[in-house]
Amino acid sequence: GENVEQHPSTLSVQEGDSAVIKCTYSDSASNYFPWYKQELGKRPQLIIDIRSNVGEKKDQRIAVTLNKTAKHFSLHITETQPEDSAVYFCAASETGGFKTIFGAGTRLFVKA
Amino acid sequence: KAGVTQTPRYLIKTRGQQVTLSCSPISGHRSVSWYQQTPGQGLQFLFEYFSETQRNKGNFPGRFSGRQFSNSRSEMNVSTLELGDSALYLCASSGGRREPTEAFFGQGTRLTVV
Repeated sequence: GENVEQHPSTLSVQEGDSAVIKCTYSDSASNYFPWYKQELGKRPQLIIDIRSNVGEKKDQRIAVTLNKTAKHFSLHITETQPEDSAVYFCAASETGGFKTIFGAGTRLFVKA
Repeated sequence: KAGVTQTPRYLIKTRGQQVTLSCSPISGHRSVSWYQQTPGQGLQFLFEYFSETQRNKGNFPGRFSGRQFSNSRSEMNVSTLELGDSALYLCASSGGRREPTEAFFGQGTRLTVV
């Protein structure tokens, strides 16, 4: 069945450093790749997404890259701040499947 | 515009009982998905409904079922509860009909089975 693997499970960085989270998906029909941030005790919220016809997308300090051939996509956060500390989930879904598969999550700690 | 609303927020049930959770999507959204969130397993997809039809389901036993009403509100039912069903149950609504789009999550219902 469909699967999304996410690494690392935990990531600790110093404030100001960059953080990179990587995901691999199995369903070649996947064409939509959102990233969600979940702060402690709160609901997941979309921070950025990318569709399969685009290789890279940026939004201020956040960027996502997609390699469809390798079935890899990554989240890059630059100039990390303590408020970036949260759990980040990658996901993959495809038109027609109406199913979004999430990775297991990465707990990011940004140390001040 | 009101967000996704889930009720109740917390539930404590005994093994063997059944439970019904409710989700009201954002106005105008017709797609509602349900997820089970546990500390070690992340977000596990349960099922997705659109216009009262289940379009896809995840790998959960038949004890987990759902439905969607004509006003897009959705309910999820778990029968014969087991201790392992203790989790946070999240629903999410989206406006996409054919193309997947951003999912807006509710606050979740925390179910504890004792």
